[in-house]
Amino acid sequence: AQSVTQPDIHITVSEGASLELRCNYSYGATPYLFWYVQSPGQGLQLLLKYFSGDTLVQGIKGFEAEFKRSQSSFNLRKPSVHWSDAAEYFCAVAPLGQNFVFGPGTRLSVLP
Amino acid sequence: DGGITQSPKYLFRKEGQNVTLSCEQNLNHDAMYWYRQDPGQGLRLIYYSQIVNDFQKGDIAEGYSVSREKKESFPLTVTSAQKNPTAFYLCASTYSNQPQHFGDGTRLSIL
Repeated sequence: AQSVTQPDIHITVSEGASLELRCNYSYGATPYLFWYVQSPGQGLQLLLKYFSGDTLVQGIKGFEAEFKRSQSSFNLRKPSVHWSDAAEYFCAVAPLGQNFVFGPGTRLSVLP
Repeated sequence: DGGITQSPKYLFRKEGQNVTLSCEQNLNHDAMYWYRQDPGQGLRLIYYSQIVNDFQKGDIAEGYSVSREKKESFPLTVTSAQKNPTAFYLCASTYSNQPQHFGDGTRLSIL
């Protein structure tokens, strides 16, 4: 079955540490790929997107993500986390011509 | 600035009551979506509309209804048939295969 998984429900990192959030998808062909961030009680904000081309994409707020076709993954990274990065992060895929499918989310906590 | 406006931010429903959540966009997007979000869970698609006067059921449409009479508006009605309506509701819009743009959500609770 087609699906999006985010293996980590909750991650805690110290401020200034590096971060990697995992996302794996199961689709026949490479879909469009996205990462969103959600602060409590707010809507989702787009961090970055991958359609084609360079497999390392840069986004807002210092985030980047790398698409690996062989692993069906689209992991989100940040070299140095700030306290304001604490939020919920959602990976989403959009198979061509189909609706978005969102992963279950990963909650990020940041220790001072 | 263009964007999506959801109202109200908080809504309370009594037993047997229908309530309507508003979603308005000025982005000139063709497609609009309603999602339900429960604590600790991802987004589940309720209804979507690709064009005016047409809409499709999503994964959890039971107990909900929508209309799309205008391009910029896509209201969601939570009917009394929805037995567990307490959730955070998000509206989104997009065009072509571009990223979805989200409103700030409406939190619905039961009195």
